Amino acid sequence: GQQVMQIPQYQHVQEGEDFTTYCNSSTTLSNIQWYKQRPGGHPVFLIQLVKSGEVKKQKRLTFQFGEAKKNSSLHITATQTTDVGTYFCAGTYDYKLSFGAGTTVTVRA
Amino acid sequence: DVKVTQSSRYLVKRTGEKVFLECVQDMDHENMFWYRQDPGLGLRLIYFSYDVKMKEKGDIPEGYSVSREKKERFSLILESASTNQTSMYLCASSFGAGTGELFFGEGSRLTVL
Repeated sequence: GQQVMQIPQYQHVQEGEDFTTYCNSSTTLSNIQWYKQRPGGHPVFLIQLVKSGEVKKQKRLTFQFGEAKKNSSLHITATQTTDVGTYFCAGTYDYKLSFGAGTTVTVRA
Repeated sequence: DVKVTQSSRYLVKRTGEKVFLECVQDMDHENMFWYRQDPGLGLRLIYFSYDVKMKEKGDIPEGYSVSREKKERFSLILESASTNQTSMYLCASSFGAGTGELFFGEGSRLTVL
């Protein structure tokens, strides 16, 4: 089946710094979604990108979908302690949604 | 708010036992999904259903079966539990055709001894 690869697996960030997590697929995706899972919680939907080259922002979070619709990124600026958790990308191919392994973010105050 | 409720948060079962995990959603969603979550592997799709009495295999269906007799309820069945099925199981639902936003339940952590 298609695979969605996500890097890095872990991200240790100083509070106030920026970071980016990347998602890559071996096949062209219909859309890509991003989810956040807080420690001990369940994944919660953040956003969906559909169009080639699409960029969407949610406050300090910027999401991009690549021109070839095979990759995506999530960039967080001025990291806060509330950003702690695991961020998953999930890509749709052949009507199935496949999740990446996630990037687990810890924040140093 | 959409609510997806999983019947058990924590279960401990013995090898060979039959295990039922139940999931109920209250927003009349057509689509329901079962994922398992393991460290370093993300969420892997076991089975999904786009309609009552309909089921489709996901990426890792071996050792599992599902049942969807009513629109709001989607059950995951482990006919004979094995230790490699120790995991966190997440149920999700979504609305309409295609792959839209998933609403997840709180998860069921299954330990097979």
